[in-house]
Amino acid sequence: DVQLGQSGGGLVQPGGSLRLSCSASGFTFDTSAMHWVRQAPGKRLEYVSTISSNGGLTYYADSVKGRFTISRDNSKRMLFLQMNSLRREDTAVYYCVKAHYSNFDAFDMWGQGTMVTVSS
Amino acid sequence: DVQMTQSPSSLSASVGDRVTISCRASQGVGNYLAWFQQKPGRAPKSLIYAASSLHSGVPSKFSGSGSGTHFTLTISSLQPEDSATYYCQQYNTYPLTFGGGTKVEIK
Repeated sequence: DVQLGQSGGGLVQPGGSLRLSCSASGFTFDTSAMHWVRQAPGKRLEYVSTISSNGGLTYYADSVKGRFTISRDNSKRMLFLQMNSLRREDTAVYYCVKAHYSNFDAFDMWGQGTMVTVSS
Repeated sequence: DVQMTQSPSSLSASVGDRVTISCRASQGVGNYLAWFQQKPGRAPKSLIYAASSLHSGVPSKFSGSGSGTHFTLTISSLQPEDSATYYCQQYNTYPLTFGGGTKVEIK
């Protein structure tokens, strides 16, 4: 079974940093693009970032560009999201998502989500 | 950015009803349209990709149609377990964008 196990969320002060992790199993991780999506409380889903299977291609939402960095370690089957200069509006549940085999940009399986709260 | 607009924002229907949700894109997205189901407190679940292709394991009561700027998700016979919020998403253009969601409740 495809599984995405997330960790790293928590409470952080504005201006602080946090690193989210997503551990993958049950599929060929090093041939799958991966995505991060977030959802603020009571709000719609919001795209955050994408990374290609070899890490050579990345995309970011304008709202996080320059502050967040997506990366991966294919040898450890891990996906990361380094979040710096956090703002209150970054408060959300963050999901890692596996890309569908047929299309780099299509979503397939979702992680369980991890809550990030930015507050003083 | 491509704006995705869903209608209605919520609906209430009876068990066995046929339910249709609409999703419109502010510009053409081809067939690069997906649908997700999200239950309260849970991660979203992928239902449909490429406008009309069902993900593995998704019941055939769910179907999608459309192309360009207008898409629909249909639940052929609503069941209690279908109570959830449904989101459309375009993946034709970055940034990928989602609709505002349609909350489906059982009468």
